[in-house]
Amino acid sequence: DTGVSQDPRHKITKRGQNVTFRCDPISEHNRLYWYRQTLGQGPEFLTYFQNEAQLEKSRLLSDRFSAERPKGSFSTLEIQRTEQGDSAMYLCASSAPFRSTGGYTFGSGTRLTVV
Amino acid sequence: QQQVKQSPQSLIVQKGGISIINCAYENTAFDYFPWYQQFPGKGPALLIAIRPDVSEKKEGRFTISFNKSAKQFSLHIMDSQPGDSATYFCAATGAGSYQLTFGKGTKLSVIP
Repeated sequence: DTGVSQDPRHKITKRGQNVTFRCDPISEHNRLYWYRQTLGQGPEFLTYFQNEAQLEKSRLLSDRFSAERPKGSFSTLEIQRTEQGDSAMYLCASSAPFRSTGGYTFGSGTRLTVV
Repeated sequence: QQQVKQSPQSLIVQKGGISIINCAYENTAFDYFPWYQQFPGKGPALLIAIRPDVSEKKEGRFTISFNKSAKQFSLHIMDSQPGDSATYFCAATGAGSYQLTFGKGTKLSVIP
């Protein structure tokens, strides 16, 4: 399977704990995106990487959220001091260079539940 | 501020019928309009996309109609099948940004 891989698929954590998610994009894709999706809503943009550089970050994103993409390969999204409002599906997507930004391939997501 | 408004929220169509989902946008800098299909437990998958220099694009049973002056675009699914039952999202991007702005989604149910 050469799709976008996300790990873990599900995460349950207590409020106040830190969590980290991993995304492995399609190998030839240099662009990587993180989105958050809550029930009954469309995905909401969080951040974008081109290779290892984080080029765009949502102004709505709390300082508790941080993302990295070392060496332009896999990416991690960390949420510090989780709150119940962070409960959502976290989606990673990637796209090839020179391809329209709309042409993403999404992973199946990590579902976070904060209790 | 919701920049892409999608309707209806849910839609029930008989097998073989036409499913129509509508979206309206506000930002005139948007220049790429994809539609995504999402099944439960899966990430969205790109279905079809259009740029504003054309008024219609067709791929198989799926057609996008685009009205630039009205800032509206719609997805038509011809000969709808039970396997088309999913949530559909319209989206838009442009103005040098790499982020997609999604609508809230339409849950389509195709009944036999």
